[in-house]
Amino acid sequence: QKEVEQDPGPLSVPEGAIVSLNCTYSNSAFQYFMWYRQYSRKGPELLMYTYSSGNKEDGRFTAQVDKSSKYISLFIRDSQPSDSATYLCAMSENNAGNMLTFGGGTRLMVKP
Amino acid sequence: DSGVTQTPKHLITATGQRVTLRCSPRSGDLSVYWYQQSLDQGLQFLIQYYNGEERAKGNILERFSAQQFPDLHSELNLSSLELGDSALYFCASSVAGSGANVLTFGAGSRLTVL
Repeated sequence: QKEVEQDPGPLSVPEGAIVSLNCTYSNSAFQYFMWYRQYSRKGPELLMYTYSSGNKEDGRFTAQVDKSSKYISLFIRDSQPSDSATYLCAMSENNAGNMLTFGGGTRLMVKP
Repeated sequence: DSGVTQTPKHLITATGQRVTLRCSPRSGDLSVYWYQQSLDQGLQFLIQYYNGEERAKGNILERFSAQQFPDLHSELNLSSLELGDSALYFCASSVAGSGANVLTFGAGSRLTVL
């Protein structure tokens, strides 16, 4: 079993829908949680960064962390075709340079 | 532009050959990471360098090696290439100390082994 599990999708939604992307993990020592967005043939780019449990909002994006359930989510409101990409969750135990552990990514397609 | 520069963008070579991938980190970043991304394995950590020294090793094959030079650029050497080495190779960089778990990725080098 992988340390971080993520449904590969693809997830297809109509424009304007609310999208929910999720990851589960097994390592209870993870404290830092990130979401990266990767467009086709491009490198991943950091979208959201959170520490410990709770919510963080940035524009149309909301990241949620539930450490008790070892479950994190990324919500995208009013989804746009430009949101079509692969979304990777990533986690680490500290912020001092230890390796990130990535999920396998969920491919999202937002149809006009 | 993320500030992390990778060359070449695309590379096609034959089995048994050797290639070198190059990475220049974002200005001010001391750590360089190499990742391999394939369809079936996702993003796999290969190796990390910090200010010229190897810091961490992941799933890097013995046929692969890397180094970080005094000017902080890094090279990933892949030798005795096999068909299964075809993948996207990403370099990422980060700052030192607090916040070092935030990686900035380059655009990647796409390697095709025929």
